[in-house]
Amino acid sequence: AQTVTQSQPEMSVQEAETVTLSCTYDTSESDYYLFWYKQPPSRQMILVIRQEAYKQQNATENRFSVNFQKAAKSFSLKISDSQLGDAAMYFCAYRKSTKGAQKLVFGQGTRLTINP
Amino acid sequence: GAGVSQSPSNKVTEKGKDVELRCDPISGHTALYWYRQSLGQGLEFLIYFQGNSAPDKSGLPSDRFSAERTGGSVSTLTIQRTQQEDSAVYLCASSLAVPGNTIYFGEGSWLTVV
Repeated sequence: AQTVTQSQPEMSVQEAETVTLSCTYDTSESDYYLFWYKQPPSRQMILVIRQEAYKQQNATENRFSVNFQKAAKSFSLKISDSQLGDAAMYFCAYRKSTKGAQKLVFGQGTRLTINP
Repeated sequence: GAGVSQSPSNKVTEKGKDVELRCDPISGHTALYWYRQSLGQGLEFLIYFQGNSAPDKSGLPSDRFSAERTGGSVSTLTIQRTQQEDSAVYLCASSLAVPGNTIYFGEGSWLTVV
């Protein structure tokens, strides 16, 4: 079974600084998808960024980028120019790429605090 | 609808009572998922519906938990004889049945069993 591990229960960063959240996963599949979701206090899970495993290029969405190391099964999230609104729980997630929809497997989350 | 809608937003129930949680997915989404999130924890998969296929019930923690999806749209998660350990946020999500397609979440139903 696939597993996702986030080794940092909590992280903090100064506003405008850069922070990196770690994620590792375990799978025997060669093709899959990886995601980072953000969960603010409102509880709504919001997709931050996604990565297809067959793509070597790291995904980027504005201030958010990933460092995808397929051989190491590592998928870290970098947040540049941190803003107060970035404060939330961040979850790394894995999903198979087999036909049809497949469930997400989540890590335990990292609580990110932004210090003004 | 515009997003995944869940009701009730909050529910307090007495131990031993049955509860029903409702999820209305995004229109046109054939895949529907239920997750449970205990306080300060990650998301635990419960059940997944995909079109007319048999649901994946592999995450249901006990036979007190069941879910159905009527007409391929609205889903109801039922917890019978609730226990205090059932207290959690129950999140519903939906997506198109395309590999890697974005899964959209509702705001969850916060269940407290007293």
